[in-house]
Amino acid sequence: DTGVSQNPRHKITKRGQNVTFRCDPISEHNRLYWYRQTLGQGPEFLTYFQNEAQLEKSRLLSDRFSAERPKGSFSTLEIQRTEQGDSAMYLCASSTRRELTETQYFGPGTRLLVL
Amino acid sequence: ELKVEQNPLFLSMQEGKNYTIYCNYSTTSDRLYWYRQDPGKSLESLFVLLSNGAVKQEGRLMASLDTKARLSTLHITAAVHDLSATYFCAGTPFFGNQFYFGTGTSLTVIP
Repeated sequence: DTGVSQNPRHKITKRGQNVTFRCDPISEHNRLYWYRQTLGQGPEFLTYFQNEAQLEKSRLLSDRFSAERPKGSFSTLEIQRTEQGDSAMYLCASSTRRELTETQYFGPGTRLLVL
Repeated sequence: ELKVEQNPLFLSMQEGKNYTIYCNYSTTSDRLYWYRQDPGKSLESLFVLLSNGAVKQEGRLMASLDTKARLSTLHITAAVHDLSATYFCAGTPFFGNQFYFGTGTSLTVIP
């Protein structure tokens, strides 16, 4: 257990429905990342927060995806009008940068299946 | 965008043998990371390499970085079954916070 938690762990939904995932980072970490991982691939960057500010967002990220981090604590990732291609593992990671070093701690992920 | 390529994608090796996983990246990166992922689990950070010539070791794993060649290696010494996992390298570009991951190397250590 890295100290990063994600809920739910599994989600099955029908195409066209909206889903929301939650990530609770390690409390002293000011950086939070969302990734998507499909089978046989490495994690793909989605978005990055420093405290409550969303500083970077992947250009490949559809407008159907939105993320928030109110008050710089937990974060939510919402997918609207889900499509079958959204089926993947969604990973959250938190970190803090000390000098030049940054170690990301990953949560267990939320596995999404869109039927 | 930083492109990260790993090879081999699949590696099957006998216990006790040595092998190296290679990670090439396309543009200048200021940090290079190695992660391990067990089946059905999330990623665990192994190493962070910050500068040219950096070498880090933990147990049977040793990682190195050659920024001129844009190459990092993960060397496995005297492999044991517990090292079976998928290993990812990831880089971050200068002036950016995105982590770009390779496709991973799936390592199976055979008794």
